[in-house]
Amino acid sequence: DAKTTQPNSMESNEEEPVHLPCNHSTISGTDYIHWYRQLPSQGPEYVIHGLTSNVNNRMASLAIAEDRKSSTLILHRATLRDAAVYYCILRDVKVDSSYKLIFGSGTRLLVRP
Amino acid sequence: KAGVTQTPRYLIKTRGQQVTLSCSPISGHRSVSWYQQTPGQGLQFLFEYFSETQRNKGNFPGRFSGRQFSNSRSEMNVSTLELGDSALYLCASSLSRTGLLHGYTFGSGTRLTVV
Repeated sequence: DAKTTQPNSMESNEEEPVHLPCNHSTISGTDYIHWYRQLPSQGPEYVIHGLTSNVNNRMASLAIAEDRKSSTLILHRATLRDAAVYYCILRDVKVDSSYKLIFGSGTRLLVRP
Repeated sequence: KAGVTQTPRYLIKTRGQQVTLSCSPISGHRSVSWYQQTPGQGLQFLFEYFSETQRNKGNFPGRFSGRQFSNSRSEMNVSTLELGDSALYLCASSLSRTGLLHGYTFGSGTRLTVV
């Protein structure tokens, strides 16, 4: 599975936008980019995923570089509830053995009131 | 709608014993996966079940096993417990195996402590 690189931690102020980067220089053409987050004392939570085009949903936006070697998860207005560990994961769902999530160490987001 | 339910939430076992953990997926979800989370190794994939069949397995010893029932509920079993098996065990369910429709939905986990 292709590897992702994320900063260990980031800080943000409440109600400001947050841009969480992810590098995946070895991404293949059929790898989907997934983001999950894990709040304290909870299981991971699906945030968003995309393949080539930028994606938006009610939780966040995903901006994918044109060469797909990096992507950015955007939280438009951070709240205290967004403090969590954010995981960027690549999956090639055309490969049967890839019906699983391989988590790295993620980015711990701290939100200041 | 009800989320993924894992029972029990907490468990304390002695080395050498065995343990069974239960997971009830979201209604209609047929894919169930299990993950182990420890401070040292992070989140690691254990196995995946779909239509009562194990489709995928992670790199864990044979002491770790599981099954899925016809109603999609799943159980995992760990035999001959070791101290290193102390972890948070998470179950995730999905409409499809790929998780591309609405992602995987995780439960809150079972915290297992082996003493």
